Amino acid sequence: DTGVSQDPRHKITKRGQNVTFRCDPISEHNRLYWYRQTLGQGPEFLTYFQNEAQLEKSRLLSDRFSAERPKGSFSTLEIQRTEQGDSAMYLCASSLGGGEETQYFGPGTRLLVL
Amino acid sequence: GESVGLHLPTLSVQEGDNSIINCAYSNSASDYFIWYKQESGKGPQFIIDIRSNMDKRQGQRVTVLLNKTVKHLSLQIAATQPGDSAVYFCAENIRGYQKVTFGTGTKLQVIP
Repeated sequence: DTGVSQDPRHKITKRGQNVTFRCDPISEHNRLYWYRQTLGQGPEFLTYFQNEAQLEKSRLLSDRFSAERPKGSFSTLEIQRTEQGDSAMYLCASSLGGGEETQYFGPGTRLLVL
Repeated sequence: GESVGLHLPTLSVQEGDNSIINCAYSNSASDYFIWYKQESGKGPQFIIDIRSNMDKRQGQRVTVLLNKTVKHLSLQIAATQPGDSAVYFCAENIRGYQKVTFGTGTKLQVIP
């Protein structure tokens, strides 16, 4: 399977704990995106990387959230001191760039904060 | 956009009939539009896209129509099949910006 992959697929944590999610984009895609989706809603943009550079961040991305893409390949999204309101599906997408803007999504990581 | 919470608009269609899913987009500056299909527990799956210099684009069993005058987008699915049952999202983007803004989804239920 050469699509976008995400790990873990499901995560249950207690309020106040830190969690980290990983995304592996489609090979050779230089753009990577993180979105958050709550039940019944469409995905909401969080942040975007062009290679290893984080170029855009949404106001939804509070200071408890941090994303990295250190080598321009896989990315991690960390949430510190989780809150119940962080419960959502966290989606990663990638695009080729260079005029090819279609974003292809991974299966998501479903987070439940108790 | 308006939040519909847990109550997505639902379209019920008989198997074999054609489906039309509508979407009103919000930003007149948007110049790239995408339809995604999302099945339960999965990420959105790309279906078809269209740029603002076009008003119609066809794929396999799917057609997207764009009316920029009234900021309206539609997805037509021919000969709807049970496997088409999912939530469908329209999304918009402005060239040069990476953020894709998703609209309110529509749940398509195919009746066998």
